[in-house]
Amino acid sequence: AAGVIQSPRHLIKEKRETATLKCYPIPRHDTVYWYQQGPGQDPQFLISFYEKMQSDKGSIPDRFSAQQFSDYHSELNMSSLELGDSALYFCASSLASAGGTDTQYFGPGTRLTVL
Amino acid sequence: GENVEQHPSTLSVQEGDSAVIKCTYSDSASNYFPWYKQELGKRPQLIIDIRSNVGEKKDQRIAVTLNKTAKHFSLHITETQPEDSAVYFCAASDTGNQFYFGTGTSLTVIP
Repeated sequence: AAGVIQSPRHLIKEKRETATLKCYPIPRHDTVYWYQQGPGQDPQFLISFYEKMQSDKGSIPDRFSAQQFSDYHSELNMSSLELGDSALYFCASSLASAGGTDTQYFGPGTRLTVL
Repeated sequence: GENVEQHPSTLSVQEGDSAVIKCTYSDSASNYFPWYKQELGKRPQLIIDIRSNVGEKKDQRIAVTLNKTAKHFSLHITETQPEDSAVYFCAASDTGNQFYFGTGTSLTVIP
């Protein structure tokens, strides 16, 4: 079965550079979530989109922005990168339903290293 | 917002024994509680979930219980095996727009 796809899998950037992470949800899934996970920490929710509209916002820095496109893929744009942005970035997708919260499936993650 | 606490942070058990991980949450509106297993450097994998309309759910060696009144839910793994060793995260959600994770439990199953 198709899973969540993230690209790139690894990314190395210098301080103050920009980075764009991409997420392709499971086909027919309409909700995308972005998480940041530091070493030894739990995933921290950044932002989510439902039907191409931002649905919730967590601890996402102002230097980061994200959007969901018409084909439901999402991109996380990170500017003025700092050393502390080095982390594993996960995207997850789910299919919203009238019945309530749906299971989210995680992508393999993008490991961002800021030098 | 929601606050999810998870205990213990580390847990070691002998192979074949049971393991129990507990989580509490603060927002009574939360109605969906998934559990994830994360191996080193890999993505969180959903292993079991429970919704607020049931008190217990079981899938082979894994079970989850939910006490809505006390706002806590627990993961039970029976007959543990070395391949169960991983970090386990609980999470809670009300709307599905945001999931709140516990801080994780590092489980080690000693052969």
